[in-house]
This record gives sequence, C-alpha cells and structure tokens, in this order.
Amino acid sequence: DQQVKQNSPSLSVQEGRISILNCDYTNSMFDYFLWYKKYPAEGPTFLISISSIKDKNEDGRFTVFLNKSAKHLSLHIVPSQPGDSAVYFCAASATGNTPLVFGKGTRLSVIA
Amino acid sequence: GAVVSQHPSRVICKSGTSVKIECRSLDFQATTMFWYRQFPKKSLMLMATSNEGSKATYEQGVEKDKFLINHASLTLSTLTVTSAHPEDSSFYICSASLTGFTGELFFGEGSRLTVL
Repeated sequence: DQQVKQNSPSLSVQEGRISILNCDYTNSMFDYFLWYKKYPAEGPTFLISISSIKDKNEDGRFTVFLNKSAKHLSLHIVPSQPGDSAVYFCAASATGNTPLVFGKGTRLSVIA
Repeated sequence: GAVVSQHPSRVICKSGTSVKIECRSLDFQATTMFWYRQFPKKSLMLMATSNEGSKATYEQGVEKDKFLINHASLTLSTLTVTSAHPEDSSFYICSASLTGFTGELFFGEGSRLTVL
C-alpha cells in the first residue's frame, strides 16, 4: 500500500501561470515532507521541505502547503517557467533515521 | 551545499558480469547512505540503507547477495551488482544525509546501468 501518493502522473501549465502539484499520505507518523525535482537522466534534487509544525513554507517561486488533518500537501510554483519542466517527487519521513518514502512523481510540463 | 557524487554515470555491461557503482560525499561525512532504484514511470525504490562500518540493511525483496553494498568510510559507499542480468538494467541513485537524519537528503547524479 502506497504511503505517499501523487495521483496526477502529469500536469501541463502555461508559462507564467501557477503550477499546483498535489501529494497525499497515509502514515500519520510522517512529520517531515519534501519535494524533489528530477530532470531526465539525473538524480532528484531537493527543492523545498516543510515540517509538520508548519502549514506553509515559501522559497522564492515555490511554496509548499501542508494540511495535516487531510494528510495532504501541495507545491505551488508561480510564475511557472519552461525550466520548471521536470518530474516532481513528493517524499515524507518520520522522526529518526528512517528512509524517505517517495510518491511516484508528477511530470510537469510548462508550455511557453 | 553538500555534494554527493556517483561514478560511473553510465555503464554498459554484458550479462553475467559484475558492476560496481560508487557513491561519494564530497564535502561532508555521511554516516548513512541510501541506495535507490528508479523504475520507469515509478518512484524511487529504496533498496538498502548503508551504514558506515556495518552491514547494510536491505529492504524486503532486495537480494543482498546480488546487490552487494559496502560502506567502508564516511565518504564512500559502493553498490556492486553481481552476475548482472538485463532485468537489472535501471537507474541507480544514492543519497546521503548530513547527520544521519533523513529530513534532507543529498542525492547523487544517478548511475544508469544497461545490461546487454
């Protein structure tokens, strides 16, 4: 059973508009959430994270929102740029030396 | 920022041979490194957790005799795919954390293995 779910395998957005990538999780022990961006033939790179004590974290064009009661988080990118086209992975972890649990990823295509 | 380097980035080998992939933390000491396998259209699958100076912890379903992991120093972990078969062809990625807590991981560039 998937603990971290990204139900949209792909998303297309026009340049300049907002991109919203969603992620749901089932494990209530998760207390730290991350988004990774991955270009073809490269390893994922860390993008932004949020602790469960917060409901929002912003870094430039990227904002992550966390709704603990719904076990849902989302990544907002605004304005979207063609260089943002990549696969975005949502990941979660519980406290301690535990590995990340990844979602299957959402492929974002930003169209110029 | 912290840099994790993998080598080789691409490797092609014949079926039945063994391939070693290195994962190095270049500017920090990583007591724990993780090895993932990326399947097409799927998420990164954790294969094993590599702890410096001790045996790796393998995830269920991962053959430890086939995927040998060695973490001999605080900056180097290696994954050896033994007796490789075409179904082992995949993208292998390592990651390392600064303090052992996996809240923020630094990923290697990935190694694409093709077994002919």
